[in-house]
Amino acid sequence: GESVGLHLPTLSVQEGDNSIINCAYSNSASDYFIWYKQESGKGPQFIIDIRSNMDKRQGQRVTVLLNKTVKHLSLQIAATQPGDSAVYFCAENPRYNFNKFYFGSGTKLNVKP
Amino acid sequence: KAGVTQTPRYLIKTRGQQVTLSCSPISGHRSVSWYQQTPGQGLQFLFEYFSETQRNKGNFPGRFSGRQFSNSRSEMNVSTLELGDSALYLCASSVTGDSGANVLTFGAGSRLTVL
Repeated sequence: GESVGLHLPTLSVQEGDNSIINCAYSNSASDYFIWYKQESGKGPQFIIDIRSNMDKRQGQRVTVLLNKTVKHLSLQIAATQPGDSAVYFCAENPRYNFNKFYFGSGTKLNVKP
Repeated sequence: KAGVTQTPRYLIKTRGQQVTLSCSPISGHRSVSWYQQTPGQGLQFLFEYFSETQRNKGNFPGRFSGRQFSNSRSEMNVSTLELGDSALYLCASSVTGDSGANVLTFGAGSRLTVL
């Protein structure tokens, strides 16, 4: 199903700490997930992706965890930096939907120096 | 490699008018998708084009339409504009064929304000 943005939760962290951003997805048929970062005045920027046959994937300073049992996705950012301040979206792609993605409502990450 | 280019970046229209937005995908990308972003509804899928054919559509009224040209460039049109159409319209391109979804690369968007 579709996720509708009603409000934007905010996560405030201290520079250097680790951040964890969570996302609950809605469609059990989704088999591809992407995390995007959006800075003010810009389009969403790809961070990391994961397919449903995996439960963890690591990138540079980022890790995505997928729990299909409870339909939960998380993004972990290590050693958070001021440049990480942005809105983060998870996006799910149900099988056979080509490039139709359903986006979460987003989480605003605020990094305090 | 140039990114996804959207024009115009900003535009203001009045109710009842129509608008056309343009998107040039990354070279070699054949899939172009359009999304609407608003504070209240978030990012919502409008439609996707691949090889000049619409192969997926979201839940928007018929006032929203699009097309794709042979060079993969795409346009979307909104007719009879309403105040609620004010939004950031995002275009994304991807290389995807039929094997499944792939990473969407987004443009900076076209900010439409309807007065």
